[in-house]
Amino acid sequence: NAGVTQTPKFRVLKTGQSMTLLCAQDMNHEYMYWYRQDPGMGLRLIHYSVGEGTTAKGEVPDGYNVSRLKKQNFLLGLESAAPSQTSVYFCASSYHGQFTDTQYFGPGTRLTVL
Amino acid sequence: EDQVTQSPEALRLQEGESSSLNCSYTVSGLRGLFWYRQDPGKGPEFLFTLYSAGEEKEKERLKATLTKKESFLHITAPKPEDSATYLCAVRLNYGGSQGNLIFGKGTKLSVKP
Repeated sequence: NAGVTQTPKFRVLKTGQSMTLLCAQDMNHEYMYWYRQDPGMGLRLIHYSVGEGTTAKGEVPDGYNVSRLKKQNFLLGLESAAPSQTSVYFCASSYHGQFTDTQYFGPGTRLTVL
Repeated sequence: EDQVTQSPEALRLQEGESSSLNCSYTVSGLRGLFWYRQDPGKGPEFLFTLYSAGEEKEKERLKATLTKKESFLHITAPKPEDSATYLCAVRLNYGGSQGNLIFGKGTKLSVKP
């Protein structure tokens, strides 16, 4: 049981390049999330999904797109990377019962945009 | 505006010196309050969830408590391995963003031997 995994762990991009971050979970969770973490800013929600085939915008969605084609995977795409997108990206997943809604996080992807 | 504020930003303790971390929140409706631990270069690790004022939960040297306006994470006789950043987050019970968390900026705890 690996929990939440993220690929890649590190990446360096040039301004204007594109890339996709992959998140996978093996806990059969319905909900999945993408966050970014910047110094002094805390974790901020980019996009989230409440089930296979669904996506929704979070607090800071501009410049990112997501897809949830399979229940276990949640992809985050950057179509044209900008230096402002330099950050650490975390994926999380959760199951939603009345008192079982804890989000479990992956190890993160450190992205640098030059 | 919904806000979560953690204090202090950083805390240095000697091994065995007990203390508390604070998480205050101003939200219209609280669904749950979460505490996470984050080690450098790693993802947040879940510690506790609290749902109602007066609730308390314990794990080893950590004890989390909740009131209507704030939560405390009490650390009793800390050890160097307790050094980490502790994050607080609240889940709201209204709006379309079901399940979404609002995070504080964290408290960086350093425990010296």
